[in-house]
Amino acid sequence: GAVVSQHPSWVICKSGTSVKIECRSLDFQATTMFWYRQFPKQSLMLMATSNEGSKATYEQGVEKDKFLINHASLTLSTLTVTSAHPEDSSFYICSGGRLRSTEAFFGQGTRLTVV
Amino acid sequence: AQTVTQSQPEMSVQEAETVTLSCTYDTSENNYYLFWYKQPPSRQMILVIRQEAYKQQNATENRFSVNFQKAAKSFSLKISDSQLGDTAMYFCAFLNPGSARQLTFGSGTQLTVLP
Repeated sequence: GAVVSQHPSWVICKSGTSVKIECRSLDFQATTMFWYRQFPKQSLMLMATSNEGSKATYEQGVEKDKFLINHASLTLSTLTVTSAHPEDSSFYICSGGRLRSTEAFFGQGTRLTVV
Repeated sequence: AQTVTQSQPEMSVQEAETVTLSCTYDTSENNYYLFWYKQPPSRQMILVIRQEAYKQQNATENRFSVNFQKAAKSFSLKISDSQLGDTAMYFCAFLNPGSARQLTFGSGTQLTVLP
């Protein structure tokens, strides 16, 4: 199956700094990328949907100025957590979708800890 | 809007036994897809099985099978001959193809296979 490579797998940053998470589709063109946040023992919560070359669509309650999403190419999407705070600590997962396909391909996830 | 409900937060099963995980959903759509995803301790999301709503036949994948009851909006997952590696969080998910392929997840069921 198709592979989405997500990096880093874990990161620790200081409060007030920014962190960038990358998701690359290795063997397919991801026309759409979904970004999720997951708290321990909870489900995936959709944060935003991005289509290549377009601005991301954010879910209600997600601050677009804090969680910057860029999907400049069909193989790369990035999520930047700006001015991170401890409450931003979480597990972030991306998933890519292909045109005319119903299958989602998930990255390995990134555990972000803000200290 | 679609909702997906998993009413069993935790379940356990003895190795080699059979277990069924429940999932119900609510939608006004007629054409949609249903999925079961597995999230082991590594937290990588793995597709277990997929069902197209227009297909009456229940999907099967080796030891995994579903009982899809469209009228009842029920989509349960049966795991036969449970193995220790089946220990994971299982998420039921709904996809409306017309909604930019956005998945709606249930709250998850933590399955533990006991030796």
